[in-house]
Parts: sequence; structure tokens; C-alpha cells
Amino acid sequence: KAGVTQTPRYLIKTRGQQVTLSCSPISGHRSVSWYQQTPGQGLQFLFEYFSETQRNKGNFPGRFSGRQFSNSRSEMNVSTLELGDSALYLCASSYRQGGYEQYFGPGTRLTVT
Amino acid sequence: ELKVEQNPLFLSMQEGKNYTIYCNYSTTSDRLYWYRQDPGKSLESLFVLLSNGAVKQEGRLMASLDTKARLSTLHITAAVHDLSATYFCAVVRGGATNKLIFGTGTLLAVQP
Repeated sequence: KAGVTQTPRYLIKTRGQQVTLSCSPISGHRSVSWYQQTPGQGLQFLFEYFSETQRNKGNFPGRFSGRQFSNSRSEMNVSTLELGDSALYLCASSYRQGGYEQYFGPGTRLTVT
Repeated sequence: ELKVEQNPLFLSMQEGKNYTIYCNYSTTSDRLYWYRQDPGKSLESLFVLLSNGAVKQEGRLMASLDTKARLSTLHITAAVHDLSATYFCAVVRGGATNKLIFGTGTLLAVQP
């Protein structure tokens, strides 16, 4: 069974640009969550999607947005990039909400210069 | 607001020794997860603990949950170098959500 895939794996952008990251969950999983990991702030929750609906949103500015498609694939977008957006962005896949295991993808390493 | 604290933040131990990582959380929760992260890598799922008194073991790692004390422990038995990594606990408050609130992580270095 294939795991969670994220594309691209590495990305370098300039301040002010925008970026779109993609996450394909494990087949049959309908819940996707996104996290940002930085050395200073640790792992922070961004959004959670289930059945194409955003179920939860973390404390991030409106520049961060996301969506989920009917095939459960999810994208997140960051507009007007700032240096502080440099981070590892991880998505987690789960069968659904509740006491199920959550499996993480390999992450996208975003560097903003 | 749900907060999760881990201690210690850094643990250096010798091969063959036993040790415990502690995870405390501030409000009622019905799910607790343990993950492992190797440098530059993603998070690997270790355990999901769903009820008070839950205990799970895999190899040299054993995790337990005490919901009344709001405490989970990850016990390492007879450590080996391959266990060197950062270990995170994460808590879900409850209800129809998968939102994980992570602890700060414990960097474990097992010395030969």
C-alpha cells in the first residue's frame, strides 16, 4: 500500500511570491491535515480537511489557505511569502476523524529567500 | 487552550540502559500519539493510545497513558544506537477532529 506522497519535496521561493504544495493521502483515507515545522515554533497545526470540507484551522494568517478535492488529495497555498514561512510542511493522512492512526508524508521543505 | 509538555528535552544515554520520556497535557483528551523523527525526515507513527490505562509495546519501546493524571510515558528498555531520534507526543482534544497538538519533542542520543 503506497504511503502519503507530497510534492514538491524541496522548493526555493523569493519573498512576495506564492507557492502551492500538494498532498496525496493513502488510498482510502479521507482525512488530511497539514502542519508546519520550524526549529523555533516546533510542529504547528495548519488545517484539517475531511470530505472536501475544512474542519479545523490553526492560528495562521489568511495568507495560508488550503482545499481538498473529491479524490481526497489536498493542496495548501501560501501567498505573499515571508522569510518566516521557511519550514518543513507536513501532511498527515487518516482514514477519517476519530481514534485512527495518522500517517505523515515525507514533507515539503520550503525555503524563502 | 490545550498545552503539551515533554521532558526531558534532551536525553543522552548509554546503550543497554533504560529510561523514560514523559508527556504531560493540560486539558482532557481522548487520544494520544507518539511519533519518531529522524534528522531531516518526516514523522513515523509509533503508538496510538485511546483509553486510560492503555499500554502498547513495540520492540524496546513501551508507551502508556494515564488520562486522570494527564500523563503518558514512553519507556525505553536496553537502548540501542538505532533508537537515536527525536520523539514527539501529540494529543487530540476530542470529538470529530484529528488536530494534533504536539509536545516540544525529546532528542534522544544513545551512545555506544
